Amino acid sequence: DTEVTQTPKHLVMGMTNKKSLKCEQHMGHRAMYWYKQKAKKPPELMFVYSYEKLSINESVPSRFSPECPNSSLLNLHLHALQPEDSALYLCASSQDIPPGALEAFFGQGTRLTVV
Amino acid sequence: AQKITQTQPGMFVQEKEAVTLDCTYDTSDQSYGLFWYKQPSSGEMIFLIYQGSYDEQNATEGRYSLNFQKARKSANLVISASQLGDSAMYFCAMSDGGSQGNLIFGKGTKLSVKP
Repeated sequence: DTEVTQTPKHLVMGMTNKKSLKCEQHMGHRAMYWYKQKAKKPPELMFVYSYEKLSINESVPSRFSPECPNSSLLNLHLHALQPEDSALYLCASSQDIPPGALEAFFGQGTRLTVV
Repeated sequence: AQKITQTQPGMFVQEKEAVTLDCTYDTSDQSYGLFWYKQPSSGEMIFLIYQGSYDEQNATEGRYSLNFQKARKSANLVISASQLGDSAMYFCAMSDGGSQGNLIFGKGTKLSVKP
């Protein structure tokens, strides 16, 4: 099973809403990632969790709050987002960090629209 | 700083023909990994092929092969016998050899396969 599952697939939220994106993998991977991808651009790294601990935060605004409840789950809590935060949010996992010798598996992404 | 360059914003290929997607990279690390991902319009990033910086042989995975020329710092993707389903965005990516766990992506090449 080489699958990373993200829910929801689509999300529309207002600027005052609070919502969460969820990511799940059952491959026993110990590193999980959140990427943000704007239209016609490559993905940009937001957060990396290694062994359920946050190891990288790429200067992401505090309105994005990651959480790793266990080794299989990764959440991204959203609060007071701006319209420019509308993007495709991709979750990925790999056996370990760095992924230098190991491929990262990606989910299908959540298309987020902030209105 | 590490950098990935994909100079072809868009490519066309006739069905059943081979196509080469270009990728050059820049890094001062001795240990790194090079990846190619396919992203259909659905959004999922699909892992295609991996090449380690110390691998002497070019990686191959089915119809995909990676033409790795270390001295020229290039890692071109060759797709043989193109199929209509190959139409997608293709990203070249690199991981560093350190412990950052980051994948750096190129800007991508949009491949269109013509029947």
